[in-house]
Amino acid sequence: IAGITQAPTSQILAAGRRMTLRCTQDMRHNAMYWYRQDLGLGLRLIHYSNTAGTTGKGEVPDGYSVSRANTDDFPLTLASAVPSQTSVYFCASSWDRDQPQHFGDGTRLSIL
Amino acid sequence: KQEVTQIPAALSVPEGENLVLNCSFTDSAIYNLQWFRQDPGKGLTSLLLIQSSQREQTSGRLNASLDKSSGRSTLYIAASQPGDSATYLCAVRGSNYQLIWGAGTKLIIKP
Repeated sequence: IAGITQAPTSQILAAGRRMTLRCTQDMRHNAMYWYRQDLGLGLRLIHYSNTAGTTGKGEVPDGYSVSRANTDDFPLTLASAVPSQTSVYFCASSWDRDQPQHFGDGTRLSIL
Repeated sequence: KQEVTQIPAALSVPEGENLVLNCSFTDSAIYNLQWFRQDPGKGLTSLLLIQSSQREQTSGRLNASLDKSSGRSTLYIAASQPGDSATYLCAVRGSNYQLIWGAGTKLIIKP
């Protein structure tokens, strides 16, 4: 089934550790996004990529980095995790910036 | 700075009722507005996308309207069913191409 795959589905991580959240899509979408969702808040954009080889900063980029080496993969890295990064992380993709976004099922990340 | 608000935060109605969910935004200079649903423990599913030049969009029992001048959008659900229970989120896209999201309305349809 075509869609977006995120891994892991959940993770508990010690503060200070490095962590990479994986995201793969098989729809050949040009644009990809990383969001975090916190209780009581809307989704907030962390980083995005309009096409392979390019990335941009969203609303809350600090402490996170991304890369887009190819069309399908868009990993999100926490270089040194802090408790405030405890959240649910969603990866999404779309044909372009004006088309509906398709979401993965999320990664639930707890930083202790 | 664009802000998106969804009121109420939660809504519970009996099965079969028609209902309206509200979304308001502070900056009318938007390119489009989208409605999504989110089931517990799952990602988001796109329901409707309204371009800034459009007034409404329909899909099945769902109808979304857009009034840019007043900064409002509504999602109308006809003949609600228990399967419609979910959190509904709206998001607006501005000139920087980023989506700004509301916090959502949690809808419960009672059988």
